[in-house]
Amino acid sequence: GAVVSQHPSRVICKSGTSVKIECRSLDFQATTMFWYRQFPKQSLMLMATSNEGSKATYEQGVEKDKFLINHASLTLSTLTVTSAHPEDSSFYICSVPGTGDLWTDTQYFGPGTRLTVL
Amino acid sequence: AQTVTQSQPEMSVQEAETVTLSCTYDTSESDYYLFWYKQPPSRQMILVIRQEAYKQQNATENRFSVNFQKAAKSFSLKISDSQLGDAAMYFCAYDWGATNKLIFGTGTLLAVQP
Repeated sequence: GAVVSQHPSRVICKSGTSVKIECRSLDFQATTMFWYRQFPKQSLMLMATSNEGSKATYEQGVEKDKFLINHASLTLSTLTVTSAHPEDSSFYICSVPGTGDLWTDTQYFGPGTRLTVL
Repeated sequence: AQTVTQSQPEMSVQEAETVTLSCTYDTSESDYYLFWYKQPPSRQMILVIRQEAYKQQNATENRFSVNFQKAAKSFSLKISDSQLGDAAMYFCAYDWGATNKLIFGTGTLLAVQP
């Protein structure tokens, strides 16, 4: 399967600070990437679609000013949690649609980033 | 709106036995994709199996197979010859093919007893 990396794997920050999470597609270029959020013992919820060369599209209820997404290149998308608060503590996962020899209708996931806001 | 329901929060199976995980979904679309993903304790999401709605034949991947009932909107996962490494959270997911966006069920935590 596709290799998708995320950095950092875990981060602890103080309330009010901003945190940047990177998602990289190592095997192929991706014009679209997706960001999900997973609370403990819960399912994954789609937050937004990252689009290379244009603005991200956010799901209903997701604050675009709090969760800034930048699709800097065809292999990199970043999620910045601005002015983080304890309720933003969660597991953030990115995914990349397959291409080439991979199923184009299937998402390949990064290993996730655990964010803890004190 | 599309929804995915997994009615079994937890399941347990003996090693080498067979277990079936249930999933139902609701959609008005005719063309879509269904997936089972596995999330072990590492929390890395791993694709287990996929099914295109337009295909009547049930997908199989080694010990994993699905029972896809389109009219009933049911998509169950059967794991044969269960192994200790199969212990994980299993998520059923739906994708309306045009968007590549996944809607996940609430998950089923599978324990494998030695």
